[in-house]
Amino acid sequence: ETGVTQTPRHLVMGMTNKKSLKCEQHLGHNAMYWYKQSAKKPLELMFVYNFKEQTENNSVPSRFSPECPNSSHLFLHLHTLQPEDSALYLCASSQLGGENTEAFFGQGTRLTVV
Amino acid sequence: GNSVTQMEGPVTLSEEAFLTINCTYTATGYPSLFWYVQYPGEGLQLLLKATKADDKGSNKGFEATYRKETTSFHLEKGSVQVSDSAVYFCALWTYGGSQGNLIFGKGTKLSVKP
Repeated sequence: ETGVTQTPRHLVMGMTNKKSLKCEQHLGHNAMYWYKQSAKKPLELMFVYNFKEQTENNSVPSRFSPECPNSSHLFLHLHTLQPEDSALYLCASSQLGGENTEAFFGQGTRLTVV
Repeated sequence: GNSVTQMEGPVTLSEEAFLTINCTYTATGYPSLFWYVQYPGEGLQLLLKATKADDKGSNKGFEATYRKETTSFHLEKGSVQVSDSAVYFCALWTYGGSQGNLIFGKGTKLSVKP
């Protein structure tokens, strides 16, 4: 148990569906992240939220829409995805501004777009 | 820009063999350096870290030393076990005011045979 919980663990969705990934951190951190991990590609940072404000969006297509209602919860809303969006989506949290800078990761959501 | 380069895998070793996974980085300032491990079907877990030059991070028999002069953070273990089979990621933490971001290498898959 890392203190970061992601649900669901697995998701299969059609290209016309709308779904959401959820991430919750129990560590009191002030920053949360979405990463995409595809086969044979490096981990890609998608979004960063710092104190609930989005501070980074690495040219992610608009079919991915993040939401951070508070510092403990992070969502990734999905709609009209493509098969190439199939990947492992990892959520992470960290405490910015202090000495301990490591990120803690959830176990990920394995997304398959059919 | 900031980047991390680690050796291409996969690496296949016999049990009790010596492991080295090379990692070099490019960064401005004084980044913190990390090794993360990802076991099959899981998210990333922090393995070890070092926050300043000449620091040695260690955990579970793994070690890595922050070498500023060679901009390296190579991962080593004297005697690997089958249970060490996983993907290993080198990463650096960059600072920008109150923001921080983890930049990952591409990962090195390690397979340990009995």
